[in-house]
Amino acid sequence: GQNIDQPTEMTATEGAIVQINCTYQTSGFNGLFWYQQHAGEAPTFLSYNVLDGLEEKGRFSSFLSRSKGYSYLLLKELQMKDSASYLCAVQDPRTGRRALTFGSGTRLQVQP
Amino acid sequence: GAVVSQHPSWVICKSGTSVKIECRSLDFQATTMFWYRQFPKQSLMLMATSNEGSKATYEQGVEKDKFLINHASLTLSTLTVTSAHPEDSSFYICSASFDRGAGELFFGEGSRLTVL
Repeated sequence: GQNIDQPTEMTATEGAIVQINCTYQTSGFNGLFWYQQHAGEAPTFLSYNVLDGLEEKGRFSSFLSRSKGYSYLLLKELQMKDSASYLCAVQDPRTGRRALTFGSGTRLQVQP
Repeated sequence: GAVVSQHPSWVICKSGTSVKIECRSLDFQATTMFWYRQFPKQSLMLMATSNEGSKATYEQGVEKDKFLINHASLTLSTLTVTSAHPEDSSFYICSASFDRGAGELFFGEGSRLTVL
């Protein structure tokens, strides 16, 4: 089975930096995804890590350590529009299937 | 622009009726699509994997006779909620990925079903 843990809620200030952690325990691993989801909307893709290290994309960065079963999403220069849920997801290792197993999501509230 | 389109966005139906939700991949062929369900303030739960030209693969606890999935072409998968009940009210989201590459999943806009 798969177990993915991330904090339920976080609060940060506009302009600041926030790090959202995700730990996972899986029988296999084909990659880790981060998605952003605003209330009532579908998730939008933020990042994908399959190798250890840091992937940077603008204000968003994602880090992966496969040996530790750990990832984080780093958001810089926070904006009010960044208030959303952030979903950590691990790709299903079963051959030919790209379904994702999602964590419960972290609701981020950005305050002025 | 969107690479996966889902329709309808909102649907309200009476208990006992059936509702069909369409998921289309735009500008690419998807031999595999996925159907997720999301209850309020909860994460996405995989319901089934839709395979073009063959039967869908359902996750444990998901009734295949209640949630009918048809993947008749490489760009279209449909989910039919049969004999819907209020407990079926949820946000249904489909996704698809390019058949090659990193396997990045693209999600449809989602369909919010309310069963009265």
